[in-house]
Amino acid sequence: DAKTTQPPSMDCAEGRAANLPCNHSTISGNEYVYWYRQIHSQGPQYIIHGLKNNETNEMASLIITEDRKSSTLILPHATLRDTAVYYCIVISGSARQLTFGSGTQLTVLP
Amino acid sequence: IAGITQAPTSQILAAGRRMTLRCTQDMRHNAMYWYRQDLGLGLRLIHYSNTAGTTGKGEVPDGYSVSRANTDDFPLTLASAVPSQTSVYFCASSDWDRGLNEQFFGPGTRLTVL
Repeated sequence: DAKTTQPPSMDCAEGRAANLPCNHSTISGNEYVYWYRQIHSQGPQYIIHGLKNNETNEMASLIITEDRKSSTLILPHATLRDTAVYYCIVISGSARQLTFGSGTQLTVLP
Repeated sequence: IAGITQAPTSQILAAGRRMTLRCTQDMRHNAMYWYRQDLGLGLRLIHYSNTAGTTGKGEVPDGYSVSRANTDDFPLTLASAVPSQTSVYFCASSDWDRGLNEQFFGPGTRLTVL
């Protein structure tokens, strides 16, 4: 599975959009980009995933660059409850085990 | 119950003792997983099961064993606990037949081995 690079921490003002970047320059054609988050002391929570098209659900939007070497998770209106560690994971379609890196600590400020 | 439950919530264990962490899901997911998370670090896969009756080793399987007798339960056993197994343990499940790697996680078990 491709390695990912994320900034260790980011801040965002409450009510503003939070844009979390992820670099995955070695991604291959059959690998998906998954995003999870982990709120303090809780189990990780699935957010969204995509292959090459941009995706949106009730939680977030995922923007994948045309060359697929990077992506951005967008939380359109961040709230204090969105404070968490956000993990970007690249995984092949045939794999079943997630590999969690160190992620990005997002802190939403009042 | 809805989702995944884990028991116990937390446990303090003497080194050398045997311990089984329990995990039950009611979503009829075919795949289940055990992860450990050490303080300040990301999750690491211990063991997994793609379907009832089968298991496989993850990144850090030594000192742990699992069984998958049925779809719903996936217990993790520490045969002889050591202090380095102090960690938070998360169980997860996924429905691979849907073609997704969307894993649902339990609330975790905080284990301290003294």
